Amino acid sequence: DGGITQSPKYLFRKEGQNVTLSCEQNLNHDAMYWYRQDPGQGLRLIYYSQIVNDFQKGDIAEGYSVSREKKESFPLTVTSAQKNPTAFYLCASSTRDRGRTEAFFGQGTRLTVV
Amino acid sequence: KNEVEQSPQNLTAQEGEFITINCSYSVGISALHWLQQHPGGGIVSLFMLSSGKKKHGRLIATINIQEKHSSLHITASHPRDSAVYICAFNAGGTSYGKLTFGQGTILTVHP
Repeated sequence: DGGITQSPKYLFRKEGQNVTLSCEQNLNHDAMYWYRQDPGQGLRLIYYSQIVNDFQKGDIAEGYSVSREKKESFPLTVTSAQKNPTAFYLCASSTRDRGRTEAFFGQGTRLTVV
Repeated sequence: KNEVEQSPQNLTAQEGEFITINCSYSVGISALHWLQQHPGGGIVSLFMLSSGKKKHGRLIATINIQEKHSSLHITASHPRDSAVYICAFNAGGTSYGKLTFGQGTILTVHP
């Protein structure tokens, strides 16, 4: 079955360490997205990519980096520069078919920095 | 002011009750999504609407483009419907797939 796979589901890191969250999709979608969710807040866009080897900053990109070397993969690195990295991270992908956009979501990664 | 507002923020119901969650937005959109997030965190897309009404099982979603308002209804609610329900939209003219999310409505259905 096609879908989006995020791994791991739970991740613990020490403060000051970089950590990379994985997102893979086998839906053949061009566009992929990373969102962050904090308690009591809506999901906020970190980075997105509409095509391989290209990506754009979202609303809260500071302290994060991404790459899009393959269509299927859009890993997110949370760097030590991110001041408050503990959060739930969600990856999504989308396609546009006959002008209609379909969005698909992963199961998320809950990152805790101690 | 947030571009999308959901109400209520928290909703408690008894099993069998009819439930309505509302979503208002302030910009032109190309599509509105209703999403369900369970305690584990994963999100499932329930509906994508650009006009009118859609129904899937006990779930009904409606949208009024002129009033910039959408509703999600759950008929004959069940404890397994307990989750966070989120509305989100693609703003017209922006990169397709970029979504703006509401804060979510926490629904708890008691047996």
